[in-house]
Parts: sequence; C-alpha cells; structure tokens
Amino acid sequence: GQNIDQPTEMTATEGAIVQINCTYQTSGFNGLFWYQQHAGEAPTFLSYNVLDGLEEKGRFSSFLSRSKGYSYLLLKELQMKDSASYLCAAMDSNYQLIWGAGTKLIIKP
Amino acid sequence: GAVVSQHPSRVICKSGTSVKIECRSLDFQATTMFWYRQFPKQSLMLMATSNEGSKATYEQGVEKDKFLINHASLTLSTLTVTSAHPEDSSFYICSARGGGPGGPGETQYFGPGTRLLVL
Repeated sequence: GQNIDQPTEMTATEGAIVQINCTYQTSGFNGLFWYQQHAGEAPTFLSYNVLDGLEEKGRFSSFLSRSKGYSYLLLKELQMKDSASYLCAAMDSNYQLIWGAGTKLIIKP
Repeated sequence: GAVVSQHPSRVICKSGTSVKIECRSLDFQATTMFWYRQFPKQSLMLMATSNEGSKATYEQGVEKDKFLINHASLTLSTLTVTSAHPEDSSFYICSARGGGPGGPGETQYFGPGTRLLVL
C-alpha cells in the first residue's frame, strides 16, 4: 500500500534549527512536496524535490533520497511565525498526491 | 506561486439547504482540481478529483450525489453541498494543479478554504 510517515509533533526554540523527517512508500514516484499549514488556514506550497539532494530556499531547505524513500524539511533561524503544521506529500505514478498526517511544529521563545 | 481563489470564505446555512463553493485558478490553467475537507485538528481528506470537461472521480465513502462537482472550464470548479446537514460542517479546501515545476506532475496550489457551518 501507499504510506507517508512523519512525526506528529515537534517542539523547537526560536532562532534554532529543526529538521522534520518524512518517509514514504508509493506506487511509483513523481516527486515529494512540502506544504505549510497555519491553524485555520489552507496549506501553502513550500518545496518540491524530484531528484536526490538538497534544495535550498531561504531559511527553508528540503532534502530527498529516492533510494531510501526519505525526505526532510530543514528550517533555520526559527521564528515564532513558523509555528504551523508541515505536510509531506509524495506524488505517485498516477500523479496523485499521497498526504502525510502533518507535523505540528511548536516554537518556544 | 500560482494563485487560487475560493468563494465564499465562510458560509452559514440552515439544515436542508444547498451551498455552492467556487474555486478559481487566477493566473494559470488548471486541468485538474481537487476538493478536500478538513475537520478540526485532523488531516486533509481528499473528497474528489475533477478534470476539466469530465466527471469528477470521488474517493471512497464520499457521496457523489451529495457533493456535486462541476469543472466547466480550465479556471473554475464548483462544489455544491446538497441538502446540507450539521455533520457537513467543515473546512472545505480546493486546490488546482498547474503552474509549478514542469511536466504532468505539477504543483498543487490551494485556495484559502471555505468554512461551512450548517445549523
């Protein structure tokens, strides 16, 4: 079956770095997406990886290892506004997104 | 990133009435649009996938006669909740695929969501 695993909740300190891991099993693979969702709002697109390696975009970076079925989202210089849920989603061979349950990130001062 | 609008943002209706939610891709053509539902503190739940000009594909457990989806153009999809009941109260979010990294596996961009409350 198809499955996405990510931690339910993480806590980090303002100004620090946090890494949110995601493992996936899909029928075929056409890329890995990360979305940010603040409470009461719709998800917003953060990143897309389809090749192995690290993609850096400002304070956020996303990594993919296709052979391991593994990705992570790295957030640097954490700010209070980064408190949100982070959703990992893998695209299968039918170009459908398989969603993880999301990781709730709590930032403490 | 690409922009997707959704209207209305919030709606309150009486039980038994129908509610229509519009989803528009404003700056790109979306061949595929998705409708999700999300209950408080729960994951996104995909309800249906719609392709322009064809019937929507509903996920298991979603009543197609209750949740009518029309994808009449490359920029507009509508979801109509027919004969709404209090248990239909939820956050409904649409997304449109397109405008992102190239190829058929393009990025999904989400609308801001519609909060439905059925009294």
